[in-house]
Amino acid sequence: DAGITQSPRHKVTETGTPVTLRCHQTENHRYMYWYRQDPGHGLRLIHYSYGVKDTDKGEVSDGYSVSRSKTEDFLLTLESATSSQTSVYFCAIKSGGQETQYFGPGTRLLVL
Amino acid sequence: GESVGLHLPTLSVQEGDNSIINCAYSNSASDYFIWYKQESGKGPQFIIDIRSNMDKRQGQRVTVLLNKTVKHLSLQIAATQPGDSAVYFCAENLIQGAQKLVFGQGTRLTINP
Repeated sequence: DAGITQSPRHKVTETGTPVTLRCHQTENHRYMYWYRQDPGHGLRLIHYSYGVKDTDKGEVSDGYSVSRSKTEDFLLTLESATSSQTSVYFCAIKSGGQETQYFGPGTRLLVL
Repeated sequence: GESVGLHLPTLSVQEGDNSIINCAYSNSASDYFIWYKQESGKGPQFIIDIRSNMDKRQGQRVTVLLNKTVKHLSLQIAATQPGDSAVYFCAENLIQGAQKLVFGQGTRLTINP
């Protein structure tokens, strides 16, 4: 998984609670991404980061926030989880000199 | 809107045969394309990529063809093996630098013994 870990790997939570997912990389890649994957929608970009404290929105950013205070960690926060945010969340990385994104193992989130 | 799609949601082939998975893209400005393989419970795995200045690229048992005239991308897998069973996604790059990929919905490839 290209030196990418995601935690937790599985989480069950209740509607209205805050949730933070963590993506950790060990190879000093500049770009990091958060995607969600749902049946019938494929992978959709939530937010991405192009450096420490530099982030931008993706296609489906509503209800999500991100932070990147150091190169190796990219956090995805659901401020108040909703059932529509039940999904599998994937982190990806890319080096500045490359064009290919590499994905982590995913986090399966269930919001009850 | 701009999107990437796949012609077939499922594909079933005999072990040892060649597989062809197709993808249509809508943005003629896209300049980079990737094929990913995703096995059950795992993250997408990079297979092969191609830039828009090429029309063919070969890897180990895989070939990607790009037809910019009709905005079509295909992945050919030679001598399909049971381990090739997975969902295959194509993705296109719409923005340089940060590379905000747009993914198709995927094709499930099943190998029959």
